[in-house]
Amino acid sequence: GAGVSQSPSNKVTEKGKDVELRCDPISGHTALYWYRQSLGQGLEFLIYFQGNSAPDKSGLPSDRFSAERTGGSVSTLTIQRTQQEDSAVYLCASSSVPGQGSEQYFGPGTRLTVT
Amino acid sequence: AQKVTQAQTEISVVEKEDVTLDCVYETRDTTYYLFWYKQPPSGELVFLIRRNSFDEQNEISGRYSWNFQKSTSSFNFTITASQVVDSAVYFCALSEVYSGGGADGLTFGKGTHLIIQP
Repeated sequence: GAGVSQSPSNKVTEKGKDVELRCDPISGHTALYWYRQSLGQGLEFLIYFQGNSAPDKSGLPSDRFSAERTGGSVSTLTIQRTQQEDSAVYLCASSSVPGQGSEQYFGPGTRLTVT
Repeated sequence: AQKVTQAQTEISVVEKEDVTLDCVYETRDTTYYLFWYKQPPSGELVFLIRRNSFDEQNEISGRYSWNFQKSTSSFNFTITASQVVDSAVYFCALSEVYSGGGADGLTFGKGTHLIIQP
């Protein structure tokens, strides 16, 4: 079946602009996760959705970051007023049984470059 | 707070050698899960294995094997008879069930870059 998909695959934006990153999880997976991968920080957990709600947003780096999920499926991660330190690969993952340590399946990521 | 340490940043071996990737973790939970993921040059993270904290049985899958030891908080990964296709970055990760602030978001180590030379 189809895996996790993310769009766009690459995004170049100017500092100060807003960007939206999209994640389409595996069909039927109720849990969705956003991570960020950068050279300096490695892989960082950002936010987790169970259905449409996000029980924990503490991983978001600043209030410029927000995420939503509608219909228990597609999620968007929005970064406002982008900064150069936001440059990274943003990864989305989904799992079928949240809270039970079930394996997370990752998408190919969106490479964000802020110039 | 949880933490995963992969002390080996890069390992280079010649094809057919055995290689072990180390992973040490810290957690205050008694119930947790450990994972290994592979990230080949293409970039997509590939799930390899999950182990819960109550199951210390070692696991073997083909040329891959995992050694989980709670006494030393380690979850090491061995590749036997390595092949060039095993070249990738390998990540160890931890998920806490009860006190994980990310409600089972994964805490990753920094990764080990494994290079298998022909």
